[in-house]
Amino acid sequence: AQSVAQPEDQVNVAEGNPLTVKCTYSVSGNPYLFWYVQYPNRGLQFLLKYITGDNLVKGSYGFEAEFNKSQTSFHLKKPSALVSDSALYFCAVRDRRDDKIIFGKGTRLHILP
Amino acid sequence: EAGVTQSPTHLIKTRGQQATLRCSPISGHTSVYWYQQALGLGLQFLLWYDEGEERNRGNFPPRFSGRQFPNYSSELNVNALELEDSALYLCASSPRRHSNTGELFFGEGSRLTVL
Repeated sequence: AQSVAQPEDQVNVAEGNPLTVKCTYSVSGNPYLFWYVQYPNRGLQFLLKYITGDNLVKGSYGFEAEFNKSQTSFHLKKPSALVSDSALYFCAVRDRRDDKIIFGKGTRLHILP
Repeated sequence: EAGVTQSPTHLIKTRGQQATLRCSPISGHTSVYWYQQALGLGLQFLLWYDEGEERNRGNFPPRFSGRQFPNYSSELNVNALELEDSALYLCASSPRRHSNTGELFFGEGSRLTVL
C-alpha cells in the first residue's frame, strides 16, 4: 500500500537560514509527488509537484523540492527562510494506478525572527 | 474564478446524530475528494468521486458516506456520530480524471464538533 512519511513533527529555523522539510514515500511504480502548505484555519494550498523530468522542482514562494528515486524521498527546501513561511506543510503522493492521493501527517515549520 | 466552497463552516452535533457537509468544486472540475483532518493525525483520505461515481474510499466505516451530484457538487454524510469524528473535513477538487496530473484545490473546510 502506498504511504507517505514526514519524520519530523516540527522544524525550527532561524530567519534567513536555509530550510529543509523531509518526506519519504512508498508506492508501486512512478509516483506523482506534491507539497502543500496550510496556514492557520485555512485549507491547503498547492506549492509544487514532481511528475517527471528534472529531479529539482521549483514552486511557489521560492520553495523547491528534490526528487530522489533511490532514496524514495521528496524533500522540500528553501534557500532563505522568511517568518511568513511559518505554517503546516504536507507531502502527498498520487498512485498512478488508482489515482488515490495520500498525505503525510504534516510538519509544522517555525521560522524564528 | 470561484474556488472550492464548503458549507457549513462550523457544525456542532451530539453523539448519535447525523451530519451532512457540502462541497462545490471549481467550475469545470469533475473530481471531488474528501479528507478528514483530526488533531495530530494529518489528512486521512475519506472518499473520491469522479463524474458522479465513487472511485475510491479510505479506511473509514460505512457510516461515512457521500455522493456526487450531476453538477459535480458533493455531499459527505456521517451517521451515528461519535466523539472522535470531531475534525476539520476538507473537500478538494481537480479537473477531469484522465487529463490532469493531480494537484488538488482545497476548500477552507467544515469544522465538525461532536459533543
